[in-house]
Amino acid sequence: RKEVEQDPGPFNVPEGATVAFNCTYSNSASQSFFWYRQDCRKEPKLLMSVYSSGNEDGRFTAQLNRASQYISLLIRDSKLSDSATYLCVVNSNAGKSTFGDGTTLTVKP
Amino acid sequence: DAGVIQSPRHEVTEMGQEVTLRCKPISGHDYLFWYRQTMMRGLELLIYFNNNVPIDDSGMPEDRFSAKMPNASFSTLKIQPSEPRDSAVYFCASRQGSWGELFFGEGSRLTVL
Repeated sequence: RKEVEQDPGPFNVPEGATVAFNCTYSNSASQSFFWYRQDCRKEPKLLMSVYSSGNEDGRFTAQLNRASQYISLLIRDSKLSDSATYLCVVNSNAGKSTFGDGTTLTVKP
Repeated sequence: DAGVIQSPRHEVTEMGQEVTLRCKPISGHDYLFWYRQTMMRGLELLIYFNNNVPIDDSGMPEDRFSAKMPNASFSTLKIQPSEPRDSAVYFCASRQGSWGELFFGEGSRLTVL
């Protein structure tokens, strides 16, 4: 079983739609969690951290469920510019950063 | 401030040749990671270092791959001999502390013919 499993997608949605991505992790001792965004042929960049209480940044909401060992990302009012691959990242208590395989989102006019 | 710097950005080589990829992490960062990305296998962790010491190299595919970090500001990933299946984008990333954000270099795109 992979350490971090992510919905593979692809997700094709119209502008203005709400879309949600999920990610599960196997190491219950994992300490910190993030969502990264990767544009085609570019390096991954931090989108947002994920906190236990849930956190929001504009149209983006991230949530963590430690009991069920999953994290989620919700994007509201999708824009064309949101088209990218979204990667969840889990940091273990040993400092290891493991990425999910990524979910590709395409927002269409 | 300078980010993570990788070189070369692109490398095309022939099967059997030695390839050396280089990385300069962000100053003050004590963790350094090497990842490989392909369409088929996603972003795979190859090895990571903490304070220049390799912590986990279980992702290194085989003995043809080796990585070193002789000091806090430089790391290399070497493939010898290279094979066509090694063709991928290799990313270096660094981080300060155990829990924080990873910062990536722009990647080295390797093509082995």
